[in-house]
Order: sequence, then structure tokens, then C-alpha cells
Amino acid sequence: QVQLVQSGAEVKKPGASVKVSCKVSGYTLTELSMHWVRQAPGKGLEWMGNFDPEDGETIYAQTLQGRVTMTEDTSTDTSYMELSSLRSEDTAVYYCAAAPIAAPTSIFDYWGQGTLVTVSS
Amino acid sequence: QPVLTQPPSASASLGASVTLTCILSSGYSNYIMDWYQQRPGKGPRFVMRVGTGGIEGFKGDGIPDRFSVLGSGLNRYLTIKNIQEEDESDYHCGADHGSGSNFGVVFGGGTKLTVL
Repeated sequence: QVQLVQSGAEVKKPGASVKVSCKVSGYTLTELSMHWVRQAPGKGLEWMGNFDPEDGETIYAQTLQGRVTMTEDTSTDTSYMELSSLRSEDTAVYYCAAAPIAAPTSIFDYWGQGTLVTVSS
Repeated sequence: QPVLTQPPSASASLGASVTLTCILSSGYSNYIMDWYQQRPGKGPRFVMRVGTGGIEGFKGDGIPDRFSVLGSGLNRYLTIKNIQEEDESDYHCGADHGSGSNFGVVFGGGTKLTVL
């Protein structure tokens, strides 16, 4: 049973940073291609980026370049997404989503439960 | 990169059928696309992958046989037969593109399905 369990909701002021975690069970992080996706209130899904352990590369969406950092701690099978210089338009539910590198069925076979990040002064 | 277009809403009566559409932008007719279901207040879950030949691979866990997909030209379809109350959800289409430093994922705007 694969599970992605994310950290809890956050409230941040404009200009601050937020770091969201995603702990994996049922697979090791090195077996997964881990992505981050966000969804603003009442809006569609927006891909933020992913880490591919096969080549060690992290790719970020151009709209977030310079503000987002994705890291992994393989000793605890936990993935992290940090977003800096927060603005009100960053208010969204943030999801980690992954697929096994060996035999993916889709881009995102598994999803975390989501973490609400609210940016407000 | 491709652009995916979905109508914002659709509706169908309990027990009826509905077909949801996701349209790829011109030049991307060979692209494979994933459908995701998002129930109210929940995170998305994978439904099925579709190309021009129909389903690619397997359905997502727990997706009933009432769900099927087709692909034709730039269009990718998700059909739900014998609609149930639990099918009322937002349905998103998504596709990856490029490789290496040019890799990315795009989504349609989502279709909100209302069960009448």
C-alpha cells in the first residue's frame, strides 16, 4: 500500500517562505519520480516541478523559477518543497504526487492528501 | 508545449451516460493524456491514460468498469456510463511533454461534473 503523507496546513505572511513535507511509504523515494502540484481556490491544477532520481535532475516550472526548491531526504523517504517570497496568489493546496520509475501507469499514480498554504497579512 | 482545453462544466442525470472531452492544441495529436478525478474536498486520483488507440495501460485503483476512454485526432474522451452520485467530481486531463531540462506537465482547466 503506497502512501504519501504531507505536513499540516500553514499560514504565512507575504514575503515569507514555506516548506511542505511529503513522507513516502510502500516505496522508497529512489524508486519514485516525485512531483509537486498546486491548486488555488476554485482553480485547476498547476504543475510546479519534479525530481527524477534516475538522473538526479530537478525541473521547475518556469513561472516559479527562482522561488521554488525541491529536495529529498532518502534516509527518511521524505520529499520537501520550499516556496519563498510568498504572495497572496500562492494561497493554494499543495500536493505531492508520484509514480514509480520502473513501471508507471500515469504521470501521477499516487497523491498526497494535500497541504493548504494560506498567505495573508 | 501543448495546451489542453476542457469545458468548465457538464451535467448528467443519475443512471445516464456522459462524455467529457479534453482537446489538445494543434500539432499534438499523437500525445498521450491522463484523466484524474477529484471529488469535492479531496485530492485527485488517477482514472485512466488514453492515446489515439484508446486506453493505455491499466485503470487506476478502484475505477469501475463504467469508466472508459477513447482518443481521436486532437480529442481525448472520458465516458461514464450509468452515472452514480459518487461520480460527481472535477475531472482533470493532464499530459507531460519534453525531456530533460525541457520536461513539463500541463493540465486542462478541469470539468465540473454535476449529477442531477
